[in-house]
Order: sequence, then C-alpha cells, then structure tokens
Amino acid sequence: DADVTQTPRNRITKTGKRIMLECSQTKGHDRMYWYRQDPGLGLRLIYYSFDVKDINKGEISDGYSVSRQAQAKFSLSLESAIPNQTALYFCATSDPGTHNTGELFFGEGSRLTVL
Amino acid sequence: AQSVAQPEDQVNVAEGNPLTVKCTYSVSGNPYLFWYVQYPNRGLQFLLKYITGDNLVKGSYGFEAEFNKSQTSFHLKKPSALVSDSALYFCAVRDGPGGFKTIFGAGTRLFVKA
Repeated sequence: DADVTQTPRNRITKTGKRIMLECSQTKGHDRMYWYRQDPGLGLRLIYYSFDVKDINKGEISDGYSVSRQAQAKFSLSLESAIPNQTALYFCATSDPGTHNTGELFFGEGSRLTVL
Repeated sequence: AQSVAQPEDQVNVAEGNPLTVKCTYSVSGNPYLFWYVQYPNRGLQFLLKYITGDNLVKGSYGFEAEFNKSQTSFHLKKPSALVSDSALYFCAVRDGPGGFKTIFGAGTRLFVKA
C-alpha cells in the first residue's frame, strides 16, 4: 500500500460544483502539503499544515480551502470549481528531520477536470 | 523570495551518453536543494538533496548533482543515461533551516533515445 494515498485519482466535474480531494498518510509525518501541477509551471503550493492546529496559505490559495482532520488526513476543497482549476493535484508529507532538512513524499496525484 | 529556474524544457540524450539537467536558484540564506523525478502517471519521487558539506551529492538510480555556490547552480548529472531515465525532473529549493516552503522549478523533460 502507498504511504501517501489520494482519492479520487481522477475526477471530472462541472463549473460551480463543490469538490473535495482527500489525502491520507501512513508515514506518521506531522507536515502535510497540497500542491498543484500545471504544464510548464511546475508545482505550486496551495496550502500547508505543520500539525492539526496549524494551517497556512501557500502561493495560490484563492478558491481553495483545506481541513486537517487528523495527523494522517488532509483534505483540499474547491467550494465552487472553475475551469482554470483543471490541474493535477498532489498531496505531500514531510518529516522535518534535523534542521528542517527532510524531503517531501508525494501521493500519486488527483487529476481534476472542470468543464 | 526564493525561486528556481530550469532553463531547458527538454533535454535529449542518447543511451550510454552522459546527461546534465540544469538548475539555478535564488534564496536569501543558505539553500537546501532537492531533485525529484516524475514518471508518467506517478507522483514525484525524491532523488537527492544538498544540505551542507561536499558539493557533489550522490542519489538514487546513479544520479548525482553538483552544488556551485558562486554560480547558484545545482545541476543534475548521470555518467551514462538509460532509456528508463526518461521522465520529468524537478529541481526544488528551501530557504535553509528556517524555510517552511519548498519551491519547485518548472521541470525539465528528459528523453533518452536507444
């Protein structure tokens, strides 16, 4: 089983619909992240959470919200989806390690298409 | 603000030849630098990182990267490319021990031809 699991893997929806992408992890990491991948733009940070009570906006948080339900679960919501939110979304976790040197561990991605 | 540039959208190399994927960065403090690889329909996988110490860092699958502080570069290298190395490669930077965010470059697609 994957250490970082995202559901759904693929979703097609219509403009204005509410969508939730879910992420769960078995790595025991406190830090969790949501990134968005667009061709030619790399990955951009949407939100990050360092523990259940600590949630922070990233570069492109407008139009998104998150919920950290437990250490192992971090959900991303689009309250009213629009076509330019069509993208590949990744959840990631990290263990800060000594002096915050830890790398990121990614899920397999959730491909969202908004028509 | 921290940033990462990968100047090449695509790199083509013949199998058995050496490969280089370029990355330059900008941070205010001491950089933590990372390379990740993405195979089709998969998430990103960590390859290697530079934190401190030896400028030449060795990682997974025979890859290595050279940190050059004066040129603010962290190029990914492999002495002999394999067809299976074909993938999308991302360079990433974090602004030292106080940095909370990892910033990614746009990615470079590597094609290795048999």
